Amino acid sequence: NAGVTQTPKFRILKIGQSMTLQCTQDMNHNYMYWYRQDPGMGLKLIYYSVGAGITDKGEVPNGYNVSRSTTEDFPLRLELAAPSQTSVYFCASSWDSYEQYFGPGTRLTVT
Amino acid sequence: EDQVTQSPEALRLQEGESSSLNCSYTVSGLRGLFWYRQDPGKGPEFLFTLYSAGEEKEKERLKATLTKKESFLHITAPKPEDSATYLCAVQVVGGSEKLVFGKGTKLTVNP
Repeated sequence: NAGVTQTPKFRILKIGQSMTLQCTQDMNHNYMYWYRQDPGMGLKLIYYSVGAGITDKGEVPNGYNVSRSTTEDFPLRLELAAPSQTSVYFCASSWDSYEQYFGPGTRLTVT
Repeated sequence: EDQVTQSPEALRLQEGESSSLNCSYTVSGLRGLFWYRQDPGKGPEFLFTLYSAGEEKEKERLKATLTKKESFLHITAPKPEDSATYLCAVQVVGGSEKLVFGKGTKLTVNP
């Protein structure tokens, strides 16, 4: 049982480039989430999904897009990367929206 | 606006020196309060969920308690391996599925 896996671990993007952060869970959880964590700040919710085909915005969705075509996968798409998107991104999943289990994170730098 | 404030921001203890971390919250209605542990370079690791005032949960040297306005994470006789950042988060009634996180308390336990 790998839990929640994220790829890549690190990435450097140039301003204006696009990329997809991958997230996969093998716990058959319905709920999946994307957070960003900036230094000295709490985690902020970007998008979440309550099941395949259903997604909704969190606190800070601007500049990001998501899709959920399967229960296992919840990729996060960054279009036209900006320096303000430099952060550590965490994917999480939960069975019933209570106890969320987090992946190891992707550290993204936009220069 | 729903808010979570953790104090202190940083805490240094000697091995065996017990102490408490505080998480105060202001929400319209509490669905659940969560404690996580985060080691450097890793994702948050779930510790406890508390649902109602008066509830307590324990795990090894950690004990979490909840009142109507705050939660405490008591650490009894800490060891160096307890060094980490401890995050508190709340889930709000009617607030969709999001967790509102505090900024965390960085705990260092010296041998």
